[in-house]
Amino acid sequence: DADVTQTPRNRITKTGKRIMLECSQTKGHDRMYWYRQDPGLGLRLIYYSFDVKDINKGEISDGYSVSRQAQAKFSLSLESAIPNQTALYFCATSDFKDTQYFGPGTRLTVL
Amino acid sequence: GQQVMQIPQYQHVQEGEDFTTYCNSSTTLSNIQWYKQRPGGHPVFLIQLVKSGEVKKQKRLTFQFGEAKKNSSLHITATQTTDVGTYFCAGPNTGFQKLVFGTGTRLLVSP
Repeated sequence: DADVTQTPRNRITKTGKRIMLECSQTKGHDRMYWYRQDPGLGLRLIYYSFDVKDINKGEISDGYSVSRQAQAKFSLSLESAIPNQTALYFCATSDFKDTQYFGPGTRLTVL
Repeated sequence: GQQVMQIPQYQHVQEGEDFTTYCNSSTTLSNIQWYKQRPGGHPVFLIQLVKSGEVKKQKRLTFQFGEAKKNSSLHITATQTTDVGTYFCAGPNTGFQKLVFGTGTRLLVSP
């Protein structure tokens, strides 16, 4: 949805670099999520946040950190990128029915 | 932890043939959601099923929720090239805090 935007859309970086992926939404949802997608593995949850003061680890949080700067903004950081973090990253928001609204994704390559 | 599996992982059909993907959860689900991801795109919500044994239709797509609320299926009648993509099921985890996505079924339709 255009209501959920992600920057950058593509990024190539080198091992050891710090990377930040940003997500913004205009849907007014409190809940925001970061997922990672790898071929054959589906969507795996990295972190999720139910409001600005509530941050929770997902199933694959190691090597990642997040910041919820405002209701509308949720950033994902890779403190020291490694090649196996090469993947497609999606930000999502959800309403009270837990329906997920995804951003367009960021394709990250770590060399 | 809770797991949601889908079969098949991949299917290639000729246009006009039917297609079915199956979703199985290791735990009972309060509801099941289905998403479609077009090639190069992001997952988009299709439908949510809540009741045991529920069946819903969207044009050529038929969604079913099992009686035990641990499995679901998506059937597409007379596939079209526009049906190409990956179909994911997802269900809330035991604590109702997040969705657990299935591994996805990738559908390829040849004209």
